[in-house]
Amino acid sequence: GDSVTQMEGPVTLSEEAFLTINCTYTATGYPSLFWYVQYPGEGLQLLLKATKADDKGSNKGFEATYRKETTSFHLEKGSVQVSDSAVYFCALSDRGNQAGTALIFGKGTTLSVSS
Amino acid sequence: GAGVSQSPRYKVAKRGQDVALRCDPISGHVSLFWYQQALGQGPEFLTYFQNEAQLDKSGLPSDRFFAERPEGSVSTLKIQRTQQEDSAVYLCASSLKGGTSGRRGTGELFFGEGSRLTVL
Repeated sequence: GDSVTQMEGPVTLSEEAFLTINCTYTATGYPSLFWYVQYPGEGLQLLLKATKADDKGSNKGFEATYRKETTSFHLEKGSVQVSDSAVYFCALSDRGNQAGTALIFGKGTTLSVSS
Repeated sequence: GAGVSQSPRYKVAKRGQDVALRCDPISGHVSLFWYQQALGQGPEFLTYFQNEAQLDKSGLPSDRFFAERPEGSVSTLKIQRTQQEDSAVYLCASSLKGGTSGRRGTGELFFGEGSRLTVL
């Protein structure tokens, strides 16, 4: 079945460092891809998304490009801030599921940024 | 309210007790999902409603789990005879559109903060 694999954390960085969180997927169809973020004490929030190959999602300085050839959707940010400390989840939606857009999540990667 | 609201935020149950978890989605949202998130894991799909209809319950781990959304708004996830392995955070999410609005959903789900269940 469809699945998402993301790099294990925790990832510990200093402020202004470059961030990459790797995410690869397995899917039989053509899924949409997402990054969700969970800040401490809050619910999951959509960070960015891409719905087809070569699309780039971006938000709050984060970017991720849908790479069909490598089945990847790596999350990047050029300069992280302390406020970016959170758990990041890569996810895909199975477009073939006519009943709804249920998401399949990776296990999450904890990012800790220190000043 | 402005967002998805879940209650209780924390629940401690003795093994064998029944529990009920409530989700109040964003007003007007057609789709409602329940997910289970074990410690250190990503959320895993449990069940999906489109309005009051439960269209997919393939993720429910056993017949001890039951969900309903009788009027197409508030939903309740009930777990009967709780076991220790049921300990997890239960997340509710809603989205504006249903699956029949098109083959391609936006996938933008709005999540509540979750209900953390601990079974002793």
